[in-house]
Amino acid sequence: KNEVEQSPQNLTAQEGEFITINCSYSVGISALHWLQQHPGGGIVSLFMLSSGKKKHGRLIATINIQEKHSSLHITASHPRDSAVYICAVRWTGTYKYIFGTGTRLKVLA
Amino acid sequence: SAVISQKPSRDICQRGTSLTIQCQVDSQVTMMFWYRQQPGQSLTLIATANQGSEATYESGFVIDKFPISRPNLTFSTLTVSNMSPEDSSIYLCSVDGTGTVYNEQFFGPGTRLTVL
Repeated sequence: KNEVEQSPQNLTAQEGEFITINCSYSVGISALHWLQQHPGGGIVSLFMLSSGKKKHGRLIATINIQEKHSSLHITASHPRDSAVYICAVRWTGTYKYIFGTGTRLKVLA
Repeated sequence: SAVISQKPSRDICQRGTSLTIQCQVDSQVTMMFWYRQQPGQSLTLIATANQGSEATYESGFVIDKFPISRPNLTFSTLTVSNMSPEDSSIYLCSVDGTGTVYNEQFFGPGTRLTVL
């Protein structure tokens, strides 16, 4: 069982839809990252969270430390949002990150 | 945020050759990390590179296959040696800005390697 679970694994949405991607982890963490990976392979860091909620443009990330769960929301989705979204967590007391397997999002025009 | 660049961004290499990937950061950081993402898989930590000491490798990765240099606080290289098609992956550099003004980890854009 992967220590970082993402759901769904694949998601197809129509342009304009509200999208939610979930990430659950099994132990205490000091930080959680949401990353975006485009088909060309380049990885962009979207958010780093240790508590609460962050917003950047149409993207919102939340984390619930007690429930060991984070969500990434995309409002008014657009075809350019099509990418793989990866959750990465750093266990408390370490500097290493463990990565989820990613959620492949496709937004149709 | 810290800016990380990697060179090359992608390459196609022949079996048996070696490729050196460079990672450059625009600020001084203590810890740099190298990850691998094989096709369809999540990223896996290869090693941690601290300036002035030998890299620390994770289980399943060895220095002879993945030698790493860390000559200063802004630069590191990862060499993939004696490549085989199984080495076809994305290789990602990241840095830990904890203790600096950034206080978080940053990821480079990755290097996509294809071995024929």
